[in-house]
Amino acid sequence: GENVEQHPSTLSVQEGDSAVIKCTYSDSASNYFPWYKQELGKRPQLIIDIRSNVGEKKDQRIAVTLNKTAKHFSLHITETQPEDSAVYFCAAGEGSNYQLIWGAGTKLIIKP
Amino acid sequence: NAGVTQTPKFRVLKTGQSMTLLCAQDMNHEYMYWYRQDPGMGLRLIHYSVGEGTTAKGEVPDGYNVSRLKKQNFLLGLESAAPSQTSVYFCASQMGGGLEQFFGPGTRLTVL
Repeated sequence: GENVEQHPSTLSVQEGDSAVIKCTYSDSASNYFPWYKQELGKRPQLIIDIRSNVGEKKDQRIAVTLNKTAKHFSLHITETQPEDSAVYFCAAGEGSNYQLIWGAGTKLIIKP
Repeated sequence: NAGVTQTPKFRVLKTGQSMTLLCAQDMNHEYMYWYRQDPGMGLRLIHYSVGEGTTAKGEVPDGYNVSRLKKQNFLLGLESAAPSQTSVYFCASQMGGGLEQFFGPGTRLTVL
């Protein structure tokens, strides 16, 4: 069946450095790729998403890139801050479908 | 506008007991979902609904039942709880395919 692989499972970076989380998907029909952030003890919340008609999208310090040929997409966080510490989930879906296929999550640790 | 709410927030059950988790949303969303989240395993879809009166199985439906009698409510039932069902349960709702899923605050369930 469809699956989404997410790497790394844990990422530790120095405050101020950049962080990159990568996901690969198997379903070539996927055309919607959201990223969710889950702080400790809280609910997941959407931070950015991208659709297959664009290759990159930015929102302040956060960017997502998509390579449809290789079936992978990445989350880039620049100038990391302590509040970026959280678990990040990627997901993939087909626009008219109801379900998202989720990655297993990446725990991002920002070291002071 | 409360968004997505879940009742209860915490619950401890004994093996074999039953319970119902309630999810409510006030955003007039068509789609609703129940996920479970276990350490290191991300979000796994239990059941979902694409409209009032409809339900469908997700990735891990065994041991759970659901009902969507009203558009704003989605109930998750455990008929005979097992320790393997110890988890954090999240409800989510979505306006349509390829759009943001809004999550509830979660229910932490422990089955002894």
